[in-house]
Amino acid sequence: AQSVTQLGSHVSVSEGALVLLRCNYSSSVPPYLFWYVQYPNQGLQLLLKYTSAATLVKGINGFEAEFKKSETSFHLTKPSAHMSDAAEYFCAVTLNQAGTALIFGKGTTLSVSS
Amino acid sequence: DTGVSQDPRHKITKRGQNVTFRCDPISEHNRLYWYRQTLGQGPEFLTYFQNEAQLEKSRLLSDRFSAERPKGSFSTLEIQRTEQGDSAMYLCASSLGGQGRETQYFGPGTRLLVL
Repeated sequence: AQSVTQLGSHVSVSEGALVLLRCNYSSSVPPYLFWYVQYPNQGLQLLLKYTSAATLVKGINGFEAEFKKSETSFHLTKPSAHMSDAAEYFCAVTLNQAGTALIFGKGTTLSVSS
Repeated sequence: DTGVSQDPRHKITKRGQNVTFRCDPISEHNRLYWYRQTLGQGPEFLTYFQNEAQLEKSRLLSDRFSAERPKGSFSTLEIQRTEQGDSAMYLCASSLGGQGRETQYFGPGTRLLVL
């Protein structure tokens, strides 16, 4: 069975600091991996996804993530945090086949202070 | 492309009442998903449609829950005899084709509170 673990339910950084949100996955088959962001009272928005092409994936708003098979990780990073990055971030995995549901981690709340 | 819409955005009901939620996917999308999100948790899969066919249901979807997607367009999720444990955000998502790599686009959700 597939699963996702997000280490750290809450991460706090200063504006301009590096953002690192951790995600480890478990999958018996090659996975597809996603990062979504959720702002208060809004739906989830896709930041980026890994679909077995390049292992370093660039997304929107300056975020990127690297797929490391040996570490079963897909950590999300951003070199310099902005106040507008404060939100909840979810890592998700799905199988390499059509129509399967996303399996989400519990989420990490990112706080950015000035 | 107007995005995925859900109605209502908020619903307060008393225990034992029935409630129905609606989801309108992005128009050309053939796949539609329902998820449930409780406080402090990530979304959990409930059920999935390809066109009008309901192809997969989670064990979370008890007999009190039913979902339909007539004509492969909008979808409804009904909860009968609501319980306080049903209080959650109900999210709808839609996608187009692919082999699992396609992006699921989420609606804003319907927040249900059962008193």
